[in-house]
Amino acid sequence: AQTVTQSQPEMSVQEAETVTLSCTYDTSESDYYLFWYKQPPSRQMILVIRQEAYKQQNATENRFSVNFQKAAKSFSLKISDSQLGDAAMYFCAYRSLISGNTPLVFGKGTRLSVIA
Amino acid sequence: DAGVTQSPTHLIKTRGQHVTLRCSPISGHKSVSWYQQVLGQGPQFIFQYYEKEERGRGNFPDRFSARQFPNYSSELNVNALLLGDSALYLCASSRRSTGLADTIYFGEGSWLTVV
Repeated sequence: AQTVTQSQPEMSVQEAETVTLSCTYDTSESDYYLFWYKQPPSRQMILVIRQEAYKQQNATENRFSVNFQKAAKSFSLKISDSQLGDAAMYFCAYRSLISGNTPLVFGKGTRLSVIA
Repeated sequence: DAGVTQSPTHLIKTRGQHVTLRCSPISGHKSVSWYQQVLGQGPQFIFQYYEKEERGRGNFPDRFSARQFPNYSSELNVNALLLGDSALYLCASSRRSTGLADTIYFGEGSWLTVV
């Protein structure tokens, strides 16, 4: 079974600065998707960014980018120019390509605080 | 278009009781999944339904059941509630069952407290 590990329970960043959230995963599969989700106090999970394992190029969405190291099974999220609205729980998630049913497997999350 | 809607948003139940949680997917989405998020943890997969059929089940006891209706809305039922069932229950929808390129959209969840 796949597992996702987020080793940083909490992180903080000054407004306008850059922060990196870490994620490692364990799988024997070669094809899969990786995701970062944001969960603000409203509790709704919002997709931040997605990476297909077969793509070597790191995904980027505006101020959010990832560092995907497939051999190391590492998938970190970098938030540039941090804003107060970025404060939330961030979850790393894995999705297998193997079977028809492919639920998301989540890590335990990292709580990000943004300091004004 | 409305997003994924869930009801109720909060509820309190007593041990041993039964609870039904409801979810309406985004219009045009035929796949609905349920996740349980215990405080301080990431969500855990419970069920997936597509075209009214169960397509996947996580490691949860038989006290948990679900179904999907012809309009693609879904219910999650939990019998004989335990204190450990206290959690945020998230519903997620996507267009297809196996469309990995599909974005999965989540609702705001139903917060269940068992006392």
